[in-house]
This record gives sequence, C-alpha cells and structure tokens, in this order.
Amino acid sequence: KAGVTQTPRYLIKTRGQQVTLSCSPISGHRSVSWYQQTPGQGLQFLFEYFSETQRNKGNFPGRFSGRQFSNSRSEMNVSTLELGDSALYLCASSLDGTGYNEQFFGPGTRLTVL
Amino acid sequence: DQQVKQNSPSLSVQEGRISILNCDYTNSMFDYFLWYKKYPAEGPTFLISISSIKDKNEDGRFTVFLNKSAKHLSLHIVPSQPGDSAVYFCAATPGGSGNEKLTFGTGTRLTIIP
Repeated sequence: KAGVTQTPRYLIKTRGQQVTLSCSPISGHRSVSWYQQTPGQGLQFLFEYFSETQRNKGNFPGRFSGRQFSNSRSEMNVSTLELGDSALYLCASSLDGTGYNEQFFGPGTRLTVL
Repeated sequence: DQQVKQNSPSLSVQEGRISILNCDYTNSMFDYFLWYKKYPAEGPTFLISISSIKDKNEDGRFTVFLNKSAKHLSLHIVPSQPGDSAVYFCAATPGGSGNEKLTFGTGTRLTIIP
C-alpha cells in the first residue's frame, strides 16, 4: 500500500508570494492533518480535514488555509508569505478520524521563503 | 505553554544497551499517546502508542510505559541498535472524533554508539 505522498518536496518562494502544497493520503484514509516543523517550535498543528470539512484548527494566522477533496486529497495554501514561514510542512493521514489511530506522515515539503 | 515536554534534547547509548526516552505532559485531557521516530529529510514514522487505560504496551524491542498520576511516559528500546539513531518525538491527543490534533514534544536526539 502506498504511503502518504506530498508534492512538491522542495519549494523556494519570495516574500509576499503565495504557495499551494498538496498531500495524497494513504488509500482509504479519510482524515488529513497538516503540521509545520521549525527548529525552534518543533511540530505545530495547523489543521485537520475529514470528509472535506475542517474539524480542527491550530493557532496560525488566516494566511494559512486548506481544503480537502472528495477523494481525501488535501491542499494547503499560504498567502502573503513571510520569512518566518520557512519550514518543513508535513501532512499526515489516519483511517477514520476517531483520534485513536496512528497518523502516518508524508516526507514533507521543505518551503524556503527568501 | 508546552503541554508535552521532552526535557532531554539528546541521549547517547551504547549499542546493545537499553535506551530510555522520557516525556511529560500537563494536559489531563490527553487520552492517547504516541511515539514517532524521525530521520533527517523524512517525515516522522509511527513507532508505538498507548491508551490511557493501559500502563504498558510492548511491540518487539519497543515498550512504552504510562504513569498517569505522574503525567509521565517513557519509551524503552532494548537492545539498542545503530539504526535506532534518530530524533524521537512524543505526541499526545485527547482522542475521540474530531480530535486528530497531535501535540508534540520538542524531540530527543538518540545516538547509538557502536
């Protein structure tokens, strides 16, 4: 069974631009969560989607948004990029979104903002 | 407010010995705990989990212990192998539908010395 895939793997943008990251969960998984990893803050929860609905959101500004499609694939968008948005963005999927199943992570998208 | 804490940023252990990684939490609502291993340039890999109704869970060389009264959990790896060298993250969630959000510790870098 294929794992969680994320595209692109690496991205370089400049301040003020916007970016869209994509995540394909494991087949059959319905919950997709996004995390930001930075050296200083560790892994921080961004949001979670289940059946195309955002169910939970972390403490990030409105510039960070996401969506989920009917096939459970998810995208996250960051508008008006800032230098501090440089991070590894990780997507994780889980089977049924009950909160009692392990989440499986993709390899991440490394975003660099210049 | 760091709700999940891993107070040891790094740990070095001789190959063949036991590695013990510790994690403390403050949120009494946490009901499900997970350990992840992370190699550079990869997403976290799920290792083992434990529900709050248990105090121990074992999977091969990995055992997780949970002390709810102390709000403390630990991961034991025995025997330690060179391939275990990685960053280990402790994570916690309240569990239940809509609670896919994982709160992560800052990680412990484990180095196994051959």
